[in-house]
Parts: sequence; C-alpha cells; structure tokens
Amino acid sequence: GQNIDQPTEMTATEGAIVQINCTYQTSGFNGLFWYQQHAGEAPTFLSYNVLDGLEEKGRFSSFLSRSKGYSYLLLKELQMKDSASYLCAVSDSNYQLIWGAGTKLIIKP
Amino acid sequence: ETGVTQTPRHLVMGMTNKKSLKCEQHLGHNAMYWYKQSAKKPLELMFVYNFKEQTENNSVPSRFSPECPNSSHLFLHLHTLQPEDSALYLCASSGSLAEHNEQFFGPGTRLTVL
Repeated sequence: GQNIDQPTEMTATEGAIVQINCTYQTSGFNGLFWYQQHAGEAPTFLSYNVLDGLEEKGRFSSFLSRSKGYSYLLLKELQMKDSASYLCAVSDSNYQLIWGAGTKLIIKP
Repeated sequence: ETGVTQTPRHLVMGMTNKKSLKCEQHLGHNAMYWYKQSAKKPLELMFVYNFKEQTENNSVPSRFSPECPNSSHLFLHLHTLQPEDSALYLCASSGSLAEHNEQFFGPGTRLTVL
C-alpha cells in the first residue's frame, strides 16, 4: 500500500529552527510537495522536490532522498505566523497526490 | 477575482436534504479535484476531472455526485448524507494531471450533517 508518515505535532520557539520529517512508500514517484495550512484556511504550496538534494527558498528549505524515501522541511528564524499544519504529499506513478496527515507546528514565544 | 473560490463556506444540512457545493477556478487550469479533509487524517481524494472528463472516482459513495460543466467550474451534489460525512471539503485545480502538478486550493466548505 501507499503510505506517508510525518509527526503529528511539534513545538518550537520563536527565532529557532525546526525540521519536519516525512517518510514515504508509494507506487512510483513523480515528486514530493510540502504545503502549509493555517487553521481554517486552504493549503498553500511551499516547495517541490523531484531530484535528490536541498531546495532553499528564503527561510524555508526542503530536502529529498529518493533512495531513502525521505524528505524534510526546514524552517529557520521561526515566526509566530509559522504556526500551522505542514502537509507532505507525494505524486505517484499516476501523478495523483498521496497525502500525509500533516504536522501541526506550535510556535512559542 | 483570483485563484480558486468555493461556496458556501459553511453548510449545515439534515440527512434528508439535498445540497450542492460549488467551486470555480480563475487560473486557466485544466484539472480540478474534490478532496475531503477530516480532523487529523490525510486529505482524501474523491474525484478528479481533466478537461471536463472524470478520471478518478476513489470508491466514493453514490450520495456524493460530482459535475464538471466546463474546465472552470466543479460541483459536488450531496444527498442523503450521513453524520460521518461532516468534514471540510476542498476543491483544487492544477494546470494538468502530469508533471509538476502543483495544486491550488480553494478555502473549503465546512459541512456539518445533523
């Protein structure tokens, strides 16, 4: 079966760095997405990785290792507005997105 | 108007009611999706349309009936729902079904079935 695993909840301090991990087992792989979803709002796109390595975009970076079925989202210089759920999703062999349950990130002052 | 819009934002209905959810995208995309989001569960893909043709129906009960009259509009018709159908229903669109198919989401309809 297809499976995406990520921690249910994480807590971090304002100004710090946090890494959210995602492991996956899917039938085929056509890229991995990270989305941010604030409570009561729509998910919004953060990053896309299809090749191994690190993609940096401002305070956010995303890493992929296809051989390990592993990705992480790295958030630096955390701000209170970063409190949200972070969703990992893998595009499978049919280009359908398989979603994780999301990681709720709580930022404390 | 930009992005993906959904109406209504909130809906409360009884199990014998019939209602419809509407989604409209202003991005010129060719693929549209319906998802169900329940608390602490992964997004569940319900239906996919590509160029107005349904390409996926992930074992969704027949009490949910999609309609896609054109590439910009998508409906989800609801009838005789059950309380366990209460959830956030999200519509999304993407340029196509293939390749880097970043999906753009609407704000969702929060559905409560009494």
